[in-house]
Amino acid sequence: AQSVTQLDSQVPVFEEAPVELRCNYSSSVSVYLFWYVQYPNQGLQLLLKYLSGSTLVESINGFEAEFNKSQTSFHLRKPSVHISDTAEYFCAVSALYNTDKLIFGTGTRLQVFP
Amino acid sequence: GAGVSQSPSNKVTEKGKDVELRCDPISGHTALYWYRQSLGQGLEFLIYFQGNSAPDKSGLPSDRFSAERTGGSVSTLTIQRTQQEDSAVYLCASSEEGTIYNEQFFGPGTRLTVL
Repeated sequence: AQSVTQLDSQVPVFEEAPVELRCNYSSSVSVYLFWYVQYPNQGLQLLLKYLSGSTLVESINGFEAEFNKSQTSFHLRKPSVHISDTAEYFCAVSALYNTDKLIFGTGTRLQVFP
Repeated sequence: GAGVSQSPSNKVTEKGKDVELRCDPISGHTALYWYRQSLGQGLEFLIYFQGNSAPDKSGLPSDRFSAERTGGSVSTLTIQRTQQEDSAVYLCASSEEGTIYNEQFFGPGTRLTVL
């Protein structure tokens, strides 16, 4: 079975500061990894995903995440955040042999202050 | 085109009552998923439909929960004899072929409150 741990339930930062949202997973098999974002009063949206190839993946709005197999991590980073990045961020994993199920972490609320 | 829609957006019910939550997936999407988002619990997988195959019900928390999908499109999640611990946001998602290469698109959710 797979599991996902997001240790930080809330991350407050000031605008233009860098941010890292941590995600660690546990699995006995190879996995795919995802970050989803939920903006206030909106549904979940896929932010970025790692399926194979380069371990560094990027989103269109400046976020990036790096798959680190040895540390079983998939931390999300952004060098300079904006007020509009305020949202809940969920890390998710699926096993390669059972790609129909996404296992989600408990989420990290990113609050960006002016 | 239209995204995944869910109704109602909010539902308040009394303990012991039955509730039905509806999901309209994106047209043409063959896979449909139900999740539950509880405070501090993240998203919990409930059930998965793929085409005409038997649904994967492995995430349903008890036999009070059931779901059906009519005509391969609209889905209804039914909770019988609701309990206070059923209070949560119920999310529906759909994808084209039911594989992880095809992104799951989520609806806005139904917030269920059991008094």
